[in-house]
Order: sequence, then structure tokens, then C-alpha cells
Amino acid sequence: AQSVTQLGSHVSVSEGALVLLRCNYSSSVPPYLFWYVQYPNQGLQLLLKYTTGATLVKGINGFEAEFKKSETSFHLTKPSAHMSDAAEYFCAVSGHNNAGNMLTFGGGTRLMVKP
Amino acid sequence: GAVVSQHPSRVICKSGTSVKIECRSLDFQATTMFWYRQFPKQSLMLMATSNEGSKATYEQGVEKDKFLINHASLTLSTLTVTSAHPEDSSFYICSARDHRLAGKRPYEQYFGPGTRLTVT
Repeated sequence: AQSVTQLGSHVSVSEGALVLLRCNYSSSVPPYLFWYVQYPNQGLQLLLKYTTGATLVKGINGFEAEFKKSETSFHLTKPSAHMSDAAEYFCAVSGHNNAGNMLTFGGGTRLMVKP
Repeated sequence: GAVVSQHPSRVICKSGTSVKIECRSLDFQATTMFWYRQFPKQSLMLMATSNEGSKATYEQGVEKDKFLINHASLTLSTLTVTSAHPEDSSFYICSARDHRLAGKRPYEQYFGPGTRLTVT
């Protein structure tokens, strides 16, 4: 069984400020972890993923996330927010050897960027 | 590469009618496709897993007679909402898995742009 919790359904930052979106997961098997971004009325775009190896992963648009097994976390960060980062962000988990490798999504975090 | 399309992008239908949504993998073959439903301001909920040439696997609570899924080819899966009602209004998103990656990157899914269904 697996689940994802995203703390904070809404996060507001000023342009140029640090972005931190929190994600905690539970999984009975070693996880694959993902962050997706969704703009209004669009599908999901993969920002980054962790599968194995280096625990700090870098993605597109300057985002990165760190897999911390001891904390069961995979928080998403970006040093400096841009107005174009305003969107909905979803953390998701899939599992090694999980039948079907299905994704389980968190509830999402809406990021708002103030000028 | 790895583009998934959905058609239509938006559809409005009357209560009691049926609506078909198509999901196509444009530059790869997909033995497995997934259908998700997303209510406003909520997360994606997996409805069913569609496997080419076999019956779809539905998640608990999803009515298979209402949401008919057909995956007749390696590049096309369809979701038909039968006898639609206003409560079926939602954003439907499909994703597809490239069959060539099944062994190496089984977690990889490519998402379509979604279909907004409004039932009046």
C-alpha cells in the first residue's frame, strides 16, 4: 500500500523567494517518487523523479527535490520563484515491484507567486 | 517524443447521452494506458488501467458499466461515459506507458492534456 501527503493545499510566495512544497509518502516497498506540475485546464508535466541513486534530483525549470528515506519525504524546492511557476503541483509515488507500477497522487499544492 | 493526445479537449453533453473520449499515443506504442478523473481543485484519482487486447481493470468504486474502456490498438484507448449525468462532469486525464520501457522504466507514464466534460 502507498500514500502521499502534501502539507499545505495552498502556498504563496513572493517573486524571487524560495519555493518549498512539502511531500511525505508511505510505501511498503522502495518508492519511486515524482513531482508533476499542472497548469489550468492542462494535463500533467513531469518536473522530476527519483528512482534510485543520488537522492538529490534536479528537474526542469530550476526545481529540485531531495529523497530522505529517514523522513519519508520528497520536498520540492526552487531557490527563486518566477511568476510563471504559479500552478498546481502534485507529488506522486509508485513502488518497485508494485503490480502495475501505478501512481498514487497527493492532494496537490497550489503555488501562488506574488509580484 | 512521448506525446499523448486526447480528443476532444472539451465536450458538453446533455444528461442521458453518452460521450466518448479518445487517448492516443502519437509516437510510441502503449500496451498500458491509465484513465484518471480530477474534480475541481482536487487530485487525480485513478479510475482504471487499460491493457491492449484485454479487459480494463477498474479501481474500487468505479462503475465499469458506466465507464466503458476499450484499448483496441497499441496507440488508442477510449473511455465512454454512458448515460452521463451532471455528477459525471469532471476533467478526465489519460496516461500511457511506452511498452519498450516496460522492463527498464516501468514507472514511466506520459500524460495527455485532459478532457473537460460538462454534463447539462
